[in-house]
Amino acid sequence: DIVMTQSPDSLAVSLGERATIECKSSQSVFYSSNSKNCLVWYQQKPGQPPKMLIHWASTRESGVPDRFSGSGSGTDFTLTISSLQAEDVAVYYCQQYCTTPYTFGQGTKLEIK
Amino acid sequence: EVQLVESGGGLVQPGESLRLSCEASGFALNTYWMHWVRQPPGKGPVWVSLINSAGSDTIYADSVKGRFTISRDDAKNTLYLQMNSLRAEDTAVYYCARNEYGFGTWGRGTLVTVSS
Repeated sequence: DIVMTQSPDSLAVSLGERATIECKSSQSVFYSSNSKNCLVWYQQKPGQPPKMLIHWASTRESGVPDRFSGSGSGTDFTLTISSLQAEDVAVYYCQQYCTTPYTFGQGTKLEIK
Repeated sequence: EVQLVESGGGLVQPGESLRLSCEASGFALNTYWMHWVRQPPGKGPVWVSLINSAGSDTIYADSVKGRFTISRDDAKNTLYLQMNSLRAEDTAVYYCARNEYGFGTWGRGTLVTVSS
């Protein structure tokens, strides 16, 4: 199984500041068929299902604010929130969907400092 | 509007069975791969099973293989998860999700609690 490891486990950032979450996979999630990385970022708020923010490692979903961006390739990925807003408080998960079992990171809890 | 609504969760004793349903609206289930994902209390999501759009292929996580069965009724546009021989570690909120380069659309989930 591909193990997804996120860092940090929790993060406190001031409003308007940048938040950065790392995700590392135990094997490459590069999909050679389309030269993209099968890596997704989700945001989950209490009592809600996860919401997809970014797929193919860097493609933002429709309606997701452009302060959210994804980058990386192979085994190392980053989710960046350029200017933290109060509504961004949530748990963030990365997930690989290259190979079953599709595995998630353990989550990063983002709070306001 | 695309919507997924799960039902069928509840409290059961270890060893018992339960069938979850996921009613889809706004699209046809047989045009997408569909997944079941569970989330134990206070923990992250865990992928459980998938069924392809043709309904011909199913895949399971090792932790549920041989105990859970995913299926679909195209006439009812409903996805199912038959769960047998339930264990305490199966306690979780169970979500169905539509495959969209990952899990793009999720239901609200249904809680399954396995306890004596």
